[in-house]
Amino acid sequence: DAGVIQSPRHEVTEMGQEVTLRCKPISGHDYLFWYRQTMMRGLELLIYFNNNVPIDDSGMPEDRFSAKMPNASFSTLKIQPSEPRDSAVYFCASSLFPFRQGAFFGQGTRLTVV
Amino acid sequence: ELKVEQNPLFLSMQEGKNYTIYCNYSTTSDRLYWYRQDPGKSLESLFVLLSNGAVKQEGRLMASLDTKARLSTLHITAAVHDLSATYFCAVDMPKRNSGYALNFGKGTSLLVTP
Repeated sequence: DAGVIQSPRHEVTEMGQEVTLRCKPISGHDYLFWYRQTMMRGLELLIYFNNNVPIDDSGMPEDRFSAKMPNASFSTLKIQPSEPRDSAVYFCASSLFPFRQGAFFGQGTRLTVV
Repeated sequence: ELKVEQNPLFLSMQEGKNYTIYCNYSTTSDRLYWYRQDPGKSLESLFVLLSNGAVKQEGRLMASLDTKARLSTLHITAAVHDLSATYFCAVDMPKRNSGYALNFGKGTSLLVTP
């Protein structure tokens, strides 16, 4: 397996624009996590899915953020409208419960909102 | 609130020295994970500790888990420059609305100097 694949790797957008981040988890994994990493706040869990169903979105900072997982091989994280404070690295990770190997992380998407 | 606390957060050490990074967590869990992150890169799994008393070693790094004390340690022996990175511990904890999620500490930034 190629691992967790995220796209794009880098995204620069203007404030107010819609941004969509994409993730393809490892085949067979039943958990998918979206994390955001910033210098100030560290690694924050935004939302996670179990078998494509959102389980906990309490980490999503605002209603401008939304995430979907329409099938087992694809998830999106959308920000609409984007703001400069959303600038961060967004990681997607996947795992197989009971997490005997932990979670596997994608390469991340570095988002810059100007 | 579920917490995963690492200390120290910053560590500068000389090559050849030994040191220990600590990870405390606030709730019952039998699984703890250590990750390494190089600047601008993703998180790479180092150790998976799945039971009380578990000890894993890889090169100059050794990790252990004491679930009764809710404590894990990452011991560095005879540090070398290549170990310079940020090290994260993570614990899987039950979340609201069922399911489990990996909760990360803030990371320990390690710099090994000549």
